[in-house]
Amino acid sequence: GAGVSQSPSNKVTEKGKDVELRCDPISGHTALYWYRQSLGQGLEFLIYFQGNSAPDKSGLPSDRFSAERTGGSVSTLTIQRTQQEDSAVYLCASSLNSGGETQYFGPGTRLLVL
Amino acid sequence: KQEVTQIPAALSVPEGENLVLNCSFTDSAIYNLQWFRQDPGKGLTSLLLIQSSQREQTSGRLNASLDKSSGRSTLYIAASQPGDSATYLCAAGIYNQGGKLIFGQGTELSVKP
Repeated sequence: GAGVSQSPSNKVTEKGKDVELRCDPISGHTALYWYRQSLGQGLEFLIYFQGNSAPDKSGLPSDRFSAERTGGSVSTLTIQRTQQEDSAVYLCASSLNSGGETQYFGPGTRLLVL
Repeated sequence: KQEVTQIPAALSVPEGENLVLNCSFTDSAIYNLQWFRQDPGKGLTSLLLIQSSQREQTSGRLNASLDKSSGRSTLYIAASQPGDSATYLCAAGIYNQGGKLIFGQGTELSVKP
């Protein structure tokens, strides 16, 4: 079956604009995770969903970042009033559940804020 | 707070060598330890997952071990090939926090023909 997909693959935006990043998990996977990979910080956890609920938002860097998941499937990560330090690759992963199953990653969205 | 460290940061070997990549973690309360491969400009490919109750997992030329008591995992690659060149990341799945992964900084492996 299809893997995790993310869109867009690349996004260039101007400082201060809002952006939306989309993740389509593997069908049947109830857990969905967002991570960010940047040169200075490596790969860091942002938020995870079990179903449509987000039990852990502790990794979101600021209140400019938010995420939602609808229908237990697609998730959207929104960054408001983007800053240059938001430039990074945003990776989404899904797993069967949030009990320590293998996480499968999408190809990522490369965000550049000018 | 869980911290994951990988040594070495970079490794260059001739084709055919056996090699070991090291990963250490500070908190033994983990669900699992997962090894990934990342090619330049690409996402992460899962290689092996070791549950906290397991000692090792094998897939083809890859063998990963886990020692929770010492906070260590190793990835052994047998008979390395140029196609193995990539960055290898280990990640600890955090217990009771939805299995979220805490990543090491990675080991960049180059296998020379």
